[in-house]
Amino acid sequence: EAQVTQNPRYLITVTGKKLTVTCSQNMNHEYMSWYRQDPGLGLRQIYYSMNVEVTDKGDVPEGYKVSRKEKRNFPLILESPSPNQTSLYFCASSDRLNTEAFFGQGTRLTVV
Amino acid sequence: SQQGEEDPQALSIQEGENATMNCSYKTSINNLQWYRQNSGRGLVHLILIRSNEREKHSGRLRVTLDTSKKSSSLLITASRAADTASYFCATDASLSNTGKLIFGQGTTLQVKP
Repeated sequence: EAQVTQNPRYLITVTGKKLTVTCSQNMNHEYMSWYRQDPGLGLRQIYYSMNVEVTDKGDVPEGYKVSRKEKRNFPLILESPSPNQTSLYFCASSDRLNTEAFFGQGTRLTVV
Repeated sequence: SQQGEEDPQALSIQEGENATMNCSYKTSINNLQWYRQNSGRGLVHLILIRSNEREKHSGRLRVTLDTSKKSSSLLITASRAADTASYFCATDASLSNTGKLIFGQGTTLQVKP
């Protein structure tokens, strides 16, 4: 089954404790993105990747890092999480430009 | 920057009625997509309409696109309780080659049985 898998689905952590949210897709897609969704602000892109070893900042990259060492994986790293990073995070992938995106089920992160 | 704006923000209808949601955007696009999100879950792609298309159908969904007005509408006919969800339009930017989607704020649809 074609899917984008994120882990964990829920996470509560403390300020400053490094964490990684994993994202994996099984569709051999080139394009992958991370979004965060906040009430009243909609979905905003954090980082994106156009292929292996090619990543770039989206609209709200501060406080986040990503890597794309393999085509299928695109982890989101929070080196020193802060409460303002409490949000619902989505990973998405698509096979090329201007096509539909497939989304993961989301990771609800709370930073206390 | 947020490109899409959706209207209305919330919509409540009875089962069997039609639901219409509108989306406006600001810049030139290659395509416009509509997604559905059930509460707290991932977004599911519904339909994509390209900038050279004016109307597209998929089952009970009908999407129109007016590039001169930079607007789109999503019509769900004969709504069901299972259609209760949030609906988002998303645009790319025609001058962008990043695959980035810009989402509207969404319309929350409630279909009462």
